[in-house]
Parts: sequence; C-alpha cells; structure tokens
Amino acid sequence: ELKVEQNPLFLSMQEGKNYTIYCNYSTTSDRLYWYRQDPGKSLESLFVLLSNGAVKQEGRLMASLDTKARLSTLHITAAVHDLSATYFCAVDMGFGNEKLTFGTGTRLTIIP
Amino acid sequence: EPEVTQTPSHQVTQMGQEVILRCVPISNHLYFYWYRQILGQKVEFLVSFYNNEISEKSEIFDDQFSVERPDGSNFTLKIRSTKLEDSAMYFCASSPDSYPNYGYTFGSGTRLTVV
Repeated sequence: ELKVEQNPLFLSMQEGKNYTIYCNYSTTSDRLYWYRQDPGKSLESLFVLLSNGAVKQEGRLMASLDTKARLSTLHITAAVHDLSATYFCAVDMGFGNEKLTFGTGTRLTIIP
Repeated sequence: EPEVTQTPSHQVTQMGQEVILRCVPISNHLYFYWYRQILGQKVEFLVSFYNNEISEKSEIFDDQFSVERPDGSNFTLKIRSTKLEDSAMYFCASSPDSYPNYGYTFGSGTRLTVV
C-alpha cells in the first residue's frame, strides 16, 4: 500500500524567511502533484512533476522531484502572508491505477 | 478556465437519510473521481469512473455508496443511508485521460454534515 508522508505537519514562519516542505512516498512513481488548500476551500493545483529531476517554479514556490529517493520538496522563498494555507503533495501511481494518494498535508502559517 | 462544478455547496442531513451529491465535470474530460476529506485530515480517494463504469474504488466506498453518470454532463455520488462518520467535504475531480500530464481538476466541494 502506498504511503505518502509530509513533514512538517505544521509550520509557522516569519515573513521573509525561506523554508522547505518534504514529501516522501513509499512506492515507485514518477508523477507527483502539489496542491494548495485554503480553509474550507477546494484544492488548487500548484505543480505537476512528471519525471525524475523535474523542477518547477511559480513565484515564491519551487517544487522538485527525486524519484530515486522517492522525495519531493516544496521550497518557499521569502515567505509572504498570502502563502498561508495547507499544502498537500499527492502521488499518482499511473496507468491502471488512476487515482491520487495524498500526503498528510502541511499547514503553513506566515507570521508578519 | 474550465471548472468542475459541484452542488450543493453544503448539505445537512439526518442520519439514515439518502443524499446525492452532484458534479458537472469539465466537458471534454473522460475520467471522473470522488474524494473526501474529513475535517482537518488528508484527502482520501473514494472512486474513479470511466466509460460508464467504476474503474477503481477504495475500502471506504462500500455498499452504501454508488456513482452514476445519468446524462452526458452530470456525475453523482449517492450515499444510501448516511452515518455520522460520513460527515466530510466531498470533492469531485475530472481529467481528460488516464495519468494526465496536466493533472486533475477538482471542484469546489460539497460539505456534508450528518446529524
């Protein structure tokens, strides 16, 4: 059974600081997604990582995927208050197994 | 930008009652999914649906649950006899194909409260 773990579960950081959220998964997969969720809202797609070594950046967020280590990271640069949300990684096992297995989520709070 | 639409946004129902949650996937998408999220917890897969049949379902998706695509646009999740533990946010999602390069599009969710 695929397990997807994120750490930390909670992260409180000051504006302007950098930090990284980690996503580990237990079974081989070369496709991983990052989503953002605001309280009571839906899942907003942030990044789709399609292969080993993939790196994508959007604004202050950068995501990477290392399929050999079964690890993805979401790096936050110079955090701003607007980035406060819960971030989920999700692993896609591929053809014949069309579903996402989500991580536990990281609740990020940016303090002014 | 195309959206997945879900109705209602919030439903309160009494234990034992049947509920139907409705979704309108993106029009050219072929794969449809339901996920749920119990308050404060992670998102869990319920069921996937393709070509008018269930492709895969999780252990959560027991005999109390069913899905249907009654016409060319709607995709519904029915819970026959709701339990307190069915209280959760239910998300519908769709994708144009299996293992999509551009990911899955999620709807805004239906918050189901069973009392």
